[in-house]
Amino acid sequence: ETGVTQTPRHLVMGMTNKKSLKCEQHLGHNAMYWYKQSAKKPLELMFVYSLEERVENNSVPSRFSPECPNSSHLFLHLHTLQPEDSALYLCASSLTSGASYEQYFGPGTRLTVT
Amino acid sequence: AQSVTQLDSQVPVFEEAPVELRCNYSSSVSVYLFWYVQYPNQGLQLLLKYLSGSTLVKGINGFEAEFNKSQTSFHLRKPSVHISDTAEYFCAVSGGGATNKLIFGTGTLLAVQP
Repeated sequence: ETGVTQTPRHLVMGMTNKKSLKCEQHLGHNAMYWYKQSAKKPLELMFVYSLEERVENNSVPSRFSPECPNSSHLFLHLHTLQPEDSALYLCASSLTSGASYEQYFGPGTRLTVT
Repeated sequence: AQSVTQLDSQVPVFEEAPVELRCNYSSSVSVYLFWYVQYPNQGLQLLLKYLSGSTLVKGINGFEAEFNKSQTSFHLRKPSVHISDTAEYFCAVSGGGATNKLIFGTGTLLAVQP
C-alpha cells in the first residue's frame, strides 16, 4: 500500500458503542492529523501529532480519544458519540521540516451515528 | 491568526470554458498557500502549492494559481475545463512551524456542465 490509508471506509455505530478508526501512512512523515469534515462547514482540525507527541487538541470533546503508537499509525477511539458527530473523518500526514509543507490525505472514514 | 475565505460556494461552468476559483487569506506572518481537490467519496488531493519564489504556480491537471501579496489572494484558474474537473476545491494556508497546521476555506464546488 502507498500513501495514506484509512480503515474502515464506512462505519455505522449506535450512541452507546465503542469503535476505533485507523490511519496508516507509508510516506516516512513525522506528523499526523485528524480532521472532521461536515456538510457545509470548513474542515475542522481535531488533533495533531508530531514525532508521536500530541501537540494540538482543538477543544475536541473527550468522547474522541486519539492514539499515536508510532510515526506510521494513528487511531481515533470513539465512544458514546452523538448524532452530530456523523461526518467524514480524514487523516493526513506531513513532514514538518524541509521545503515541502503539504499534507497528504487518506480517503476518509464516513461515520454515521444512529 | 490565519483565515481563508472562499466567497463562491458553487461555480457552474460549461465544458471547455475557462474558470477562476477565488481565494483570499489573512495572516500576520509569511504564509504557504495550497489548493486541494476532493472528488466524491475521496480524500483531498494536492493540486498546487506556493511556498516562495515565482508568484505564478502551475499544478496538476492543467490548473494554475497566482499569489498576490498586496491583495492577499491566491486564485485558482484553468483555461479550459472538462467534465472530470467537477469536484470540491479547497484553498488552505499554513504558517509552517512545528505542527505545519493547515487552515482551510469552506470549499467551492466546481460544477462542469456539457
